[in-house]
Amino acid sequence: AQKVTQAQTEISVVEKEDVTLDCVYETRDTTYYLFWYKQPPSGELVFLIRRNSFDEQNEISGRYSWNFQKSTSSFNFTITASQVVDSAVYFCALSPHSGGYQKVTFGTGTKLQVIP
Amino acid sequence: GAVVSQHPSRVICKSGTSVKIECRSLDFQATTMFWYRQFPKKSLMLMATSNEGSKATYEQGVEKDKFLINHASLTLSTLTVTSAHPEDSSFYICSARADRVGSPLHFGNGTRLTVT
Repeated sequence: AQKVTQAQTEISVVEKEDVTLDCVYETRDTTYYLFWYKQPPSGELVFLIRRNSFDEQNEISGRYSWNFQKSTSSFNFTITASQVVDSAVYFCALSPHSGGYQKVTFGTGTKLQVIP
Repeated sequence: GAVVSQHPSRVICKSGTSVKIECRSLDFQATTMFWYRQFPKKSLMLMATSNEGSKATYEQGVEKDKFLINHASLTLSTLTVTSAHPEDSSFYICSARADRVGSPLHFGNGTRLTVT
């Protein structure tokens, strides 16, 4: 069975602060994918990143960075110099790597509020 | 990038009526699409997997006679909420991925259903 835990329900930061969103996962699969999605107040889900379990390199994209630690089953997401537009609910998700039907399991989300 | 279009974005209907929600992949083919339901301040709950040309696969606890899914082509899946009741009021989101292993899920903008 797959499980994704986002222990932080809500986080508030002041603009320009850095913030890290935690994600811990459980899976019996030896290969899998990890994702982060953003859901702004308008409701749509925006894909941010996909990480293959083969690749433990950290990734940086602008103000966003991701820290994948397979040893601790964590895939944390850091926003540097946060902005008001970053306010949203962020979901971490997990999917098996095998072909065919692949069920994606979502965490419960972390609501981030960036205060001007 | 990949785009998934969902229509309508918002619908209000009376109890007992049926509502159809469409999900289209605009620039890729999707053999498989997924329907999620999201309760307020909650994570996404997978309702069913829509398979082109065959019956949908429903998650445990989801009534297949109430939530009819039809995946008529490689770019269109529909969810029909039959004989809607107020407890069916929710945010429904569809998603699709290109037919490549590990392709990320792309989400529609969601449909806010209110049953009065």
